[in-house]
Amino acid sequence: RKEVEQDPGPFNVPEGATVAFNCTYSNSASQSFFWYRQDCRKEPKLLMSVYSSGNEDGRFTAQLNRASQYISLLIRDSKLSDSATYLCVVNDYGQNFVFGPGTRLSVLP
Amino acid sequence: DAGVTQSPTHLIKTRGQQVTLRCSPKSGHDTVSWYQQALGQGPQFIFQYYEEEERQRGNFPDRFSGHQFPNYSSELNVNALLLGDSALYLCASSLGARDYERSPLHFGNGTRLTVT
Repeated sequence: RKEVEQDPGPFNVPEGATVAFNCTYSNSASQSFFWYRQDCRKEPKLLMSVYSSGNEDGRFTAQLNRASQYISLLIRDSKLSDSATYLCVVNDYGQNFVFGPGTRLSVLP
Repeated sequence: DAGVTQSPTHLIKTRGQQVTLRCSPKSGHDTVSWYQQALGQGPQFIFQYYEEEERQRGNFPDRFSGHQFPNYSSELNVNALLLGDSALYLCASSLGARDYERSPLHFGNGTRLTVT
């Protein structure tokens, strides 16, 4: 089993839609969680950290379920500019940051 | 505030050659991590440098080596290049003190290496 797994995608959604991405991780000792966004042929950029209580940043909401070892990202009112690959990232104390394979999102006009 | 900078942007090498990639971390960061990203995949961790020493290493052969300098900048060296080494090489910096796991990674633009 891979350390971090994500919905394979791609997700093709119309503008204004709500879309949710799921991510699971295998190491129960994992302590820090992030969502990164990567545009085609560009570097990954931090979208948001994920906190135990869940957190929201504008149209983006991240949730963490430690018991199920599951992280989610919800995007409301999708914009064309949200089209990108979304990477789930997990870090264990004393270990490195492990990236999932990414889920590609295309928001269509 | 300077972000992470990498050089060169693109590189074409032949099988068997050696390559050196360079990275300067974001101002205030002291930890540098290197990742390899093949097309359509997530970044794969190569190694991390902190206080001029390799602190962690991923599942990469010894052909991949690195160095960190006193000014926190870093180099990634790959010897005996293989076709499969063709990828985007990303450098990321972060804070290396306690709670570094909670300090997000900041990436450079990457070096796209093509091995022919």
